[in-house]
Amino acid sequence: GQQLNQSPQSMFIQEGEDVSMNCTSSSIFNTWLWYKQDPGEGPVLLIALYKAGELTSNGRLTAQFGITRKDSFLNISASIPSDVGIYFCAGHTSGSARQLTFGSGTQLTVLP
Amino acid sequence: DSGVTQTPKHLITATGQRVTLRCSPRSGDLSVYWYQQSLDQGLQFLIQYYNGEERAKGNILERFSAQQFPDLHSELNLSSLELGDSALYFCASSQWDSFGETQYFGPGTRLLVL
Repeated sequence: GQQLNQSPQSMFIQEGEDVSMNCTSSSIFNTWLWYKQDPGEGPVLLIALYKAGELTSNGRLTAQFGITRKDSFLNISASIPSDVGIYFCAGHTSGSARQLTFGSGTQLTVLP
Repeated sequence: DSGVTQTPKHLITATGQRVTLRCSPRSGDLSVYWYQQSLDQGLQFLIQYYNGEERAKGNILERFSAQQFPDLHSELNLSSLELGDSALYFCASSQWDSFGETQYFGPGTRLLVL
Protein backbone atom coordinates (compact mmCIF):
# COMPACT_ATOMS: atom_id res chain seq x y z
CA GLY A 1 0.00 0.00 0.00
CA GLN A 2 0.95 3.65 -0.08
CA GLN A 3 3.45 4.89 2.45
CA LEU A 4 4.13 8.35 3.70
CA ASN A 5 7.57 9.25 4.99
CA GLN A 6 7.28 12.05 7.52
CA SER A 7 10.28 13.91 8.87
CA PRO A 8 11.68 14.80 11.21
CA GLN A 9 10.46 12.25 13.75
CA SER A 10 10.92 14.75 16.57
CA MET A 11 11.98 18.35 17.03
CA PHE A 12 13.09 20.42 19.99
CA ILE A 13 12.94 24.15 19.35
CA GLN A 14 13.05 27.39 21.27
CA GLU A 15 9.92 29.44 21.67
CA GLY A 16 9.75 31.99 18.87
CA GLU A 17 11.57 29.86 16.32
CA ASP A 18 10.07 28.73 13.04
CA VAL A 19 9.46 25.03 12.35
CA SER A 20 9.29 23.03 9.17
CA MET A 21 8.27 19.42 8.65
CA ASN A 22 7.46 17.46 5.55
CA CYS A 23 5.99 14.32 4.10
CA THR A 24 7.00 12.49 0.97
CA SER A 25 5.65 9.52 -0.89
CA SER A 26 6.53 7.41 -3.89
CA SER A 27 2.86 7.56 -4.89
CA ILE A 28 0.81 10.45 -6.19
CA PHE A 29 -1.65 11.84 -3.69
CA ASN A 30 -4.81 13.78 -4.50
CA THR A 31 -5.24 15.24 -1.04
CA TRP A 32 -2.89 16.29 1.72
CA LEU A 33 -4.14 16.94 5.23
CA TRP A 34 -2.19 18.11 8.25
CA TYR A 35 -3.42 17.23 11.74
CA LYS A 36 -2.22 18.04 15.24
CA GLN A 37 -2.74 15.64 18.11
CA ASP A 38 -2.46 16.61 21.77
CA PRO A 39 -1.75 13.80 24.27
CA GLY A 40 -4.78 11.58 24.79
CA GLU A 41 -6.88 13.55 22.35
CA GLY A 42 -8.06 13.01 18.80
CA PRO A 43 -6.21 14.54 15.85
CA VAL A 44 -7.46 17.99 14.95
CA LEU A 45 -7.43 19.11 11.35
CA LEU A 46 -5.13 22.07 10.75
CA ILE A 47 -4.97 22.50 7.00
CA ALA A 48 -6.39 20.65 4.00
CA LEU A 49 -4.82 20.82 0.54
CA TYR A 50 -6.53 19.58 -2.58
CA LYS A 51 -4.57 20.90 -5.56
CA ALA A 52 -0.95 20.52 -6.65
CA GLY A 53 0.98 23.69 -5.89
CA GLU A 54 -1.64 24.94 -3.45
CA LEU A 55 -0.25 27.04 -0.61
CA THR A 56 -2.62 27.55 2.32
CA SER A 57 -2.24 29.39 5.60
CA ASN A 58 -4.06 29.06 8.89
CA GLY A 59 -2.75 31.69 11.27
CA ARG A 60 0.91 30.95 11.92
CA LEU A 61 0.69 27.70 9.97
CA THR A 62 1.41 27.38 6.27
CA ALA A 63 1.25 24.20 4.23
CA GLN A 64 1.92 23.43 0.60
CA PHE A 65 0.86 20.65 -1.74
CA GLY A 66 3.96 19.77 -3.78
CA ILE A 67 3.93 20.24 -7.54
CA THR A 68 4.83 16.60 -8.11
CA ARG A 69 1.86 15.61 -5.86
CA LYS A 70 4.22 13.36 -3.94
CA ASP A 71 5.06 15.67 -1.09
CA SER A 72 3.81 18.34 1.27
CA PHE A 73 5.31 20.52 3.94
CA LEU A 74 4.02 22.31 7.01
CA ASN A 75 5.64 25.42 8.44
CA ILE A 76 4.89 26.94 11.83
CA SER A 77 6.16 30.45 12.39
CA ALA A 78 7.04 32.06 15.71
CA SER A 79 6.35 28.92 17.74
CA ILE A 80 4.62 29.17 21.11
CA PRO A 81 4.32 26.63 23.96
CA SER A 82 0.85 25.48 22.90
CA ASP A 83 2.28 24.29 19.57
CA VAL A 84 3.60 21.24 21.45
CA GLY A 85 2.10 18.02 20.17
CA ILE A 86 2.34 15.46 17.42
CA TYR A 87 1.79 16.62 13.87
CA PHE A 88 0.59 14.12 11.30
CA CYS A 89 0.43 14.44 7.58
CA ALA A 90 -2.18 12.38 5.81
CA GLY A 91 -3.40 11.94 2.31
CA HIS A 92 -5.16 9.71 -0.08
CA THR A 93 -4.71 8.65 -3.62
CA SER A 94 -7.36 8.27 -6.25
CA GLY A 95 -9.28 5.05 -6.42
CA SER A 96 -12.29 3.55 -4.79
CA ALA A 97 -10.69 2.92 -1.41
CA ARG A 98 -11.02 6.23 0.36
CA GLN A 99 -8.77 5.46 3.24
CA LEU A 100 -6.38 8.05 4.50
CA THR A 101 -2.75 7.10 4.75
CA PHE A 102 -1.00 8.71 7.70
CA GLY A 103 2.59 9.67 8.22
CA SER A 104 4.28 8.46 11.38
CA GLY A 105 4.10 11.89 12.98
CA THR A 106 6.47 14.63 14.11
CA GLN A 107 6.70 15.16 17.86
CA LEU A 108 7.24 18.87 18.48
CA THR A 109 8.59 20.19 21.76
CA VAL A 110 8.81 23.93 22.31
CA LEU A 111 11.27 25.03 24.98
CA PRO A 112 10.63 28.29 26.85
CA ASP B 1 -14.98 20.27 19.07
CA SER B 2 -15.03 18.30 15.82
CA GLY B 3 -18.69 17.29 16.17
CA VAL B 4 -17.77 13.60 16.28
CA THR B 5 -18.61 11.92 19.57
CA GLN B 6 -17.26 8.70 20.99
CA THR B 7 -18.21 6.72 24.05
CA PRO B 8 -16.92 5.61 26.42
CA LYS B 9 -13.88 7.82 26.88
CA HIS B 10 -12.08 5.18 28.94
CA LEU B 11 -12.53 1.43 29.16
CA ILE B 12 -10.71 -1.05 31.35
CA THR B 13 -11.33 -4.74 30.87
CA ALA B 14 -9.66 -8.13 31.13
CA THR B 15 -8.14 -10.42 28.55
CA GLY B 16 -10.65 -12.60 26.78
CA GLN B 17 -13.47 -10.14 27.20
CA ARG B 18 -15.52 -8.34 24.57
CA VAL B 19 -16.19 -4.61 24.38
CA THR B 20 -18.17 -2.28 22.14
CA LEU B 21 -17.05 1.22 21.24
CA ARG B 22 -19.56 3.70 19.92
CA CYS B 23 -19.20 6.60 17.53
CA SER B 24 -21.65 9.25 16.32
CA PRO B 25 -20.53 11.11 13.22
CA ARG B 26 -20.97 14.80 12.52
CA SER B 27 -24.41 15.76 11.40
CA GLY B 28 -24.74 15.07 7.69
CA ASP B 29 -21.61 12.94 7.36
CA LEU B 30 -22.29 9.51 5.88
CA SER B 31 -18.83 7.99 6.25
CA VAL B 32 -17.34 6.64 9.46
CA TYR B 33 -13.77 5.45 9.78
CA TRP B 34 -12.18 3.55 12.67
CA TYR B 35 -8.51 3.84 13.60
CA GLN B 36 -6.28 2.25 16.21
CA GLN B 37 -3.37 4.09 17.78
CA SER B 38 -1.05 2.12 20.03
CA LEU B 39 1.40 3.77 22.38
CA ASP B 40 3.90 5.88 20.46
CA GLN B 41 2.50 4.61 17.20
CA GLY B 42 0.83 6.26 14.30
CA LEU B 43 -2.77 5.91 13.28
CA GLN B 44 -3.66 2.55 11.77
CA PHE B 45 -6.77 2.46 9.63
CA LEU B 46 -9.12 -0.35 10.58
CA ILE B 47 -12.34 -0.05 8.60
CA GLN B 48 -14.66 2.39 6.84
CA TYR B 49 -18.43 2.44 6.53
CA TYR B 50 -20.45 4.58 4.20
CA ASN B 51 -24.21 4.97 4.71
CA GLY B 52 -24.47 1.63 6.45
CA GLU B 53 -22.26 -0.41 4.17
CA GLU B 54 -18.66 -1.48 4.58
CA ARG B 55 -16.55 0.48 2.10
CA ALA B 56 -12.93 -0.29 2.89
CA LYS B 57 -10.92 -2.52 5.19
CA GLY B 58 -7.50 -1.90 6.58
CA ASN B 59 -5.48 -3.73 9.20
CA ILE B 60 -8.47 -5.01 11.14
CA LEU B 61 -8.13 -8.28 13.03
CA GLU B 62 -10.71 -11.01 12.60
CA ARG B 63 -11.56 -10.64 16.29
CA PHE B 64 -12.73 -7.11 15.54
CA SER B 65 -15.88 -6.16 13.70
CA ALA B 66 -17.87 -3.02 13.07
CA GLN B 67 -21.20 -1.90 11.78
CA GLN B 68 -22.99 1.31 10.92
CA PHE B 69 -26.64 1.68 11.81
CA PRO B 70 -29.47 3.44 9.94
CA ASP B 71 -29.04 6.54 12.10
CA LEU B 72 -25.39 6.50 10.93
CA HIS B 73 -23.81 5.89 14.30
CA SER B 74 -21.23 3.14 14.28
CA GLU B 75 -19.99 0.53 16.71
CA LEU B 76 -16.64 -1.22 16.82
CA ASN B 77 -16.74 -4.60 18.53
CA LEU B 78 -13.53 -6.03 19.94
CA SER B 79 -13.65 -9.63 21.15
CA SER B 80 -11.29 -12.14 22.77
CA LEU B 81 -9.26 -9.17 23.90
CA GLU B 82 -5.52 -9.48 24.31
CA LEU B 83 -3.06 -7.28 26.16
CA GLY B 84 -1.82 -5.93 22.84
CA ASP B 85 -5.24 -4.55 22.02
CA SER B 86 -4.69 -1.80 24.58
CA ALA B 87 -4.71 1.38 22.55
CA LEU B 88 -6.58 4.53 21.66
CA TYR B 89 -9.41 3.91 19.22
CA PHE B 90 -10.58 6.82 17.14
CA CYS B 91 -13.44 7.21 14.80
CA ALA B 92 -13.66 9.89 12.18
CA SER B 93 -16.41 11.06 9.90
CA SER B 94 -15.91 12.75 6.61
CA GLN B 95 -17.46 15.23 4.30
CA TRP B 96 -16.90 15.68 0.60
CA ASP B 97 -17.09 18.95 -1.22
CA SER B 98 -15.95 20.17 -4.59
CA PHE B 99 -12.34 20.03 -3.45
CA GLY B 100 -12.19 16.59 -1.90
CA GLU B 101 -12.67 14.67 1.31
CA THR B 102 -11.82 15.86 4.82
CA GLN B 103 -11.92 13.62 7.88
CA TYR B 104 -12.79 14.90 11.35
CA PHE B 105 -11.79 12.86 14.38
CA GLY B 106 -13.57 12.15 17.61
CA PRO B 107 -11.87 12.39 21.02
CA GLY B 108 -11.13 8.67 21.11
CA THR B 109 -11.73 5.76 23.46
CA ARG B 110 -8.78 4.66 25.53
CA LEU B 111 -8.90 0.89 26.00
CA LEU B 112 -6.80 -0.82 28.62
CA VAL B 113 -6.75 -4.61 28.66
CA LEU B 114 -5.39 -6.12 31.86
